Amino acid sequence: DTGVSQDPRHKITKRGQNVTFRCDPISEHNRLYWYRQTLGQGPEFLTYFQNEAQLEKSRLLSDRFSAERPKGSFSTLEIQRTEQGDSAMYLCASGVNQPQHFGDGTRLSIL
Amino acid sequence: QKEVEQDPGPLSVPEGAIVSLNCTYSNSAFQYFMWYRQYSRKGPELLMYTYSSGNKEDGRFTAQVDKSSKYISLFIRDSQPSDSATYLCAILATAGNKLTFGGGTRVLVKP
Repeated sequence: DTGVSQDPRHKITKRGQNVTFRCDPISEHNRLYWYRQTLGQGPEFLTYFQNEAQLEKSRLLSDRFSAERPKGSFSTLEIQRTEQGDSAMYLCASGVNQPQHFGDGTRLSIL
Repeated sequence: QKEVEQDPGPLSVPEGAIVSLNCTYSNSAFQYFMWYRQYSRKGPELLMYTYSSGNKEDGRFTAQVDKSSKYISLFIRDSQPSDSATYLCAILATAGNKLTFGGGTRVLVKP
């Protein structure tokens, strides 16, 4: 059990560029979650997968955001045409049911 | 009004003191309760997980849940400087998958 792994740890990009983050869950965890955390706030739910099926999406997940989990293992989160307001820590969590175990996140900085 | 309220602190205590943290929530559907610890630039780390009213103890940590008052607490005994972190409460509805977090309380344990 190596824990939830996220890559990259920090991404710096210019406004308007596309970015993609990767999450590798704890092996055999069938549930995978994405959250977003801004400075001084608790994480906010974005989306949830059970195996490869995306079962729930928050209204925070605008059309510019897309998440996939093609083989029910790792997941990617893509943000298109990044905006200043997208600057945040993007956290991935996994679990068999509950509780959820988190990775160390990808910090996104928009120039 | 937020669904989960948590005093942001900071809470400063001397080493060896008891740290007392709490959250209030508004949704009666919330049935599962978690406490996470988050160090700077790291992901949330699960400390306690419970789904019933009453107390749950794990080492120096005690979690209390009072569903009738919609109030949860975390106590840390014999606090250490290494306990200095942000503590997040997280709550889950019975039929849900997304965690709803409080904003976190920053704790500083002074040697």
